[in-house]
Amino acid sequence: GESVGLHLPTLSVQEGDNSIINCAYSNSASDYFIWYKQESGKGPQFIIDIRSNMDKRQGQRVTVLLNKTVKHLSLQIAATQPGDSAVYFCAELSGGNDYKLSFGAGTTVTVRA
Amino acid sequence: EAGVAQSPRYKIIEKRQSVAFWCNPISGHATLYWYQQILGQGPKLLIQFQNNGVVDDSQLPKDRFSAERLKGVDSTLKIQPAKLEDSAVYLCASSPAPAYEQYFGPGTRLTVT
Repeated sequence: GESVGLHLPTLSVQEGDNSIINCAYSNSASDYFIWYKQESGKGPQFIIDIRSNMDKRQGQRVTVLLNKTVKHLSLQIAATQPGDSAVYFCAELSGGNDYKLSFGAGTTVTVRA
Repeated sequence: EAGVAQSPRYKIIEKRQSVAFWCNPISGHATLYWYQQILGQGPKLLIQFQNNGVVDDSQLPKDRFSAERLKGVDSTLKIQPAKLEDSAVYLCASSPAPAYEQYFGPGTRLTVT
């Protein structure tokens, strides 16, 4: 089965509010996690990543938090905008020789005006 | 910088027919990936190439799917014969090397009737 998954398939957010998207993973040996955004008709687009030796990483309007104790990571989007409406995936990059990327099922974020 | 190109963008075929998808990665990217994304799910890796060699094809249904990257640049993915359950978006991605960020193309939406 999949090694990463998201808690909720959908999230509706008022424009200007903050969004929090959650993801649980099962492989405690995972050392690298990535959040992707996928808009309708497009391929996934890299948002932000975090390594297992970090708890938090910030980008422009986005923050990723990693809790290795409970194997949980989250993506926070500040001041959500209509352009943030998309499907968000967390993905885990496994190590070894091939560095395989495993995606969760995704959370569809809808921003209300 | 030009992104990953894929064609066609849409394809409708009947079951048992054959279909081929084409991918042109970002110039200079040695690693190329094909993913299958079924509606409502995250992308699933089918095959990974490093230059013109296969690194991982463990998830590729080899009785009907084939892929090649003969000159280490463009790649084609073929399905022969197609089944109804092959209806999905087929995404191509490329990266400079296996552990680096993957850049996705827009995908080919396949509908098998």
